Amino acid sequence: GENVEQHPSTLSVQEGDSAVIKCTYSDSASNYFPWYKQELGKRPQLIIDIRSNVGEKKDQRIAVTLNKTAKHFSLHITETQPEDSAVYFCAAADDNYGQNFVFGPGTRLSVLP
Amino acid sequence: EAGVVQSPRYKIIEKKQPVAFWCNPISGHNTLYWYLQNLGQGPELLIRYENEEAVDDSQLPKDRFSAERLKGVDSTLKIQPAELGDSAVYLCASSPGTGVGPDTQYFGPGTRLTVL
Repeated sequence: GENVEQHPSTLSVQEGDSAVIKCTYSDSASNYFPWYKQELGKRPQLIIDIRSNVGEKKDQRIAVTLNKTAKHFSLHITETQPEDSAVYFCAAADDNYGQNFVFGPGTRLSVLP
Repeated sequence: EAGVVQSPRYKIIEKKQPVAFWCNPISGHNTLYWYLQNLGQGPELLIRYENEEAVDDSQLPKDRFSAERLKGVDSTLKIQPAELGDSAVYLCASSPGTGVGPDTQYFGPGTRLTVL
């Protein structure tokens, strides 16, 4: 089955700097890669996703890049703000598993003012 | 649009007691998921429903866990009897279930279970 690894487990950046979180997956059949943000005590919320037919997707300060050959994808946050502080989870899914997501263990991002 | 609703938000019980969690998915969403989230970890799938059918329950510990989704809308997850190791957040999620590749999943706020 699919295995998703995520690095780093914790990340601290200064406000205004960029943050990058990387995930690797094991199943080459995976074709959908969402990123969720979870603030303390709150529900995971989708912030961006990418499908395997594109290499990059951007939404304002957030971007995701996908390298299918290397089986990794990354979340990029530019001009970080204190409200970006949260735990970020990546996930991978493929049609063989229907709608099932396999999540990474999460990255705790702290943006220091 | 109302999001996924879960209740209760918090539950504290003694070990060996039963407990039940309820989930109301986003209106029109055919697919419903129950996840377990341990502290500091990502969500892990317990069971997935397509309408009222449980299509993947391979990760559900069936000796003590059960779930149902009557009429293909609301769902209940039950633990009987609860053990200390069941303390975690139980998340419900739903997705449209378009049948065309993986859908975006929308999560509820979760139920934080503490077993004493």
